[in-house]
Amino acid sequence: QVQLVQSGAEVKKPGASVKVSCKASGYTFTSYGISWVRQAPGQGLEWMGWISAYNGNTNYAQKLQGRVTMTTDTSTSTAYMELRSLRSDDTAVYYCARGQRWLVYWGQGTLVTVSS
Amino acid sequence: DIVMTQSPDSLAVSLGERATINCKSSQSVLYSSNNKNYLAWYQQKPGQPPKLLIYWASTRESGVPDRFSGSGSGTDFTLTISSLQAEDVAVYYCQQYYSTPPFTFGPGTKVDIK
Repeated sequence: QVQLVQSGAEVKKPGASVKVSCKASGYTFTSYGISWVRQAPGQGLEWMGWISAYNGNTNYAQKLQGRVTMTTDTSTSTAYMELRSLRSDDTAVYYCARGQRWLVYWGQGTLVTVSS
Repeated sequence: DIVMTQSPDSLAVSLGERATINCKSSQSVLYSSNNKNYLAWYQQKPGQPPKLLIYWASTRESGVPDRFSGSGSGTDFTLTISSLQAEDVAVYYCQQYYSTPPFTFGPGTKVDIK
């Protein structure tokens, strides 16, 4: 069965960076891209970007351009999302999901807390 | 970027009654070459990731109960729960995936039991 397992919760100080991992199993990793979506506490879903696991092509939300980098490691079927220059409003649960358009399979979410 | 809006922000419906959620996009998400609407609906319960309910505006995902249905075209869409069950209490989001990213979500509609 398809599974996406994300890394654990993180606490970071403003200005730091965080890298969240998303390990995929149960399907051919390079056949699908990985999308990243975040959700601030009590708020809605925010689309962050997408990476092709086939060729590494990316699309990022404009508001995150320059601060976010999405990568994949096909040898371990793992996707990564790195966010730099963290601010308090980056505090959120970060989800990975398989695919680019509609998202059927999701990771369990990773809480990233940015606090001094 | 395409902006998605939803109405109402929240609604309370009696068990067994119909719930209707509206979603509007700032531009059409209907792709004329294939006549498909690039819109999905998700359900999210507290502490859980979203669950896909509907894609192509009206195609139910495998395993989703048939009381959930999607309709609409162009810029105006509706998610209907024909007979609300207790387990349907959740927040519902629409998302467009038309053309190139960003694939924006609506702000969500909270559904409760009256």
